[in-house]
Amino acid sequence: DQQVKQNSPSLSVQEGRISILNCDYTNSMFDYFLWYKKYPAEGPTFLISISSIKDKNEDGRFTVFLNKSAKHLSLHIVPSQPGDSAVYFCAASAWGNEKLTFGTGTRLTIIP
Amino acid sequence: KAGVTQTPRYLIKTRGQQVTLSCSPISGHRSVSWYQQTPGQGLQFLFEYFSETQRNKGNFPGRFSGRQFSNSRSEMNVSTLELGDSALYLCASSLDQVRGTSGANVLTFGAGSRLTVL
Repeated sequence: DQQVKQNSPSLSVQEGRISILNCDYTNSMFDYFLWYKKYPAEGPTFLISISSIKDKNEDGRFTVFLNKSAKHLSLHIVPSQPGDSAVYFCAASAWGNEKLTFGTGTRLTIIP
Repeated sequence: KAGVTQTPRYLIKTRGQQVTLSCSPISGHRSVSWYQQTPGQGLQFLFEYFSETQRNKGNFPGRFSGRQFSNSRSEMNVSTLELGDSALYLCASSLDQVRGTSGANVLTFGAGSRLTVL
């Protein structure tokens, strides 16, 4: 049972444009959400997170939006740069069970 | 500050063999988690150790086991290897699994050990 879903395996975006990566979850106990980025031959690196008490969190070019009623979150990257080409994983955790549940990832390719 | 170190980086085994993977966490990090990454499955949680005790376990068969030493270093073992065990095994460490003031259980991952089972 995939509790965190990333339905788009891949996404291509022109350099300078906005990249929007989506993630859906089914477990209503999840109350903290994170995005990780992964380059080939490297481990995932933490990008940005959001608590369920918020609906938006920004860090530079990266913004994460959370829609609790729809159990949906998205990561916006503006403007997209070639170095953003990577696989992006969303992850979720529930208070009291802190392990992270990951989605299957979305491969983002930024076209110069 | 050194990151999370995993050894070996690559290894090839045959069915029925066993394998041990090693992970050295970031200095001061006491929680170590293991994940399996396979194409199309994302990162699947294996187990988490804190102060030499397994605190959390994923839905993997008993062939997958792990341990943590007093210096927080961790090993995972897979016995009686099957073809489906071919994957990237990722280790991650954090200060503590209990959320800090930031509210995030931010894991720092190693580069992984890529296991191929023939």
